[in-house]
Amino acid sequence: QVHLVESGGGVVQPGRSLRLSCAASGFDFSDNGMHWVRQAPGKGLEWVAVIWHDGSSQYYADSVKGRFTISRDNSKNTLFLQMDSLRVEDTAVYYCARSVWLSDSYGNRGYCFDYWGQGTLVTVSS
Amino acid sequence: EIVLTQSPGTLSLSPGERATLSCRASQSVSSSYLAWYQQKPGQAPRLLIYGASSRATDIPDRFSGSGSGTDFTLTISRLEPEDFAVYYCHQYGISPPKITFGQGTRLEIK
Repeated sequence: QVHLVESGGGVVQPGRSLRLSCAASGFDFSDNGMHWVRQAPGKGLEWVAVIWHDGSSQYYADSVKGRFTISRDNSKNTLFLQMDSLRVEDTAVYYCARSVWLSDSYGNRGYCFDYWGQGTLVTVSS
Repeated sequence: EIVLTQSPGTLSLSPGERATLSCRASQSVSSSYLAWYQQKPGQAPRLLIYGASSRATDIPDRFSGSGSGTDFTLTISRLEPEDFAVYYCHQYGISPPKITFGQGTRLEIK
């Protein structure tokens, strides 16, 4: 079955960098776009970034644009998030999620995140 | 940028009751890009509804989604104890590609 396992979280000082990984298994990783979504303590979900299935395009939330870089290695079934110039407000649990188009028996289609990792906590603090 | 506003912020109900959660978009959203998720404490979100009205795999039929345009609804027909959680709606904007989440509705036991 599909598994997504994040790693790389930890405590880091403001202005420093951190690289998160998301190891995928149970599906053909190169078939799917992948996203990072974060959740600050006690807060709601915030989308961070997306990368196309073949790595050809990446898009970011305004809050991280220019500081974070999403990438993937399809040969190793792994998604990455390079986080530079970290700020206190980047403190959150970071989830990777698989995006898919699903269809039901009536022909209704929808774009959604069908699998999520368990998350990795990033704490930015001096 | 499309903003999703969920209401109410908190809903207090008893098991067996019917729950109606709203998600309103600041501009029209394609139903194909509207989904609902459930999140329990300490867990990752779980997909409930995609395409505004289709249940994801293994989601009980007491969960249903409806709506179009700017107004979408998640209904839980008869609440079970395991349904008390936070619910998020989500939309995908295609130009440029961007995901927006609502702020969530907390469904709590009354």
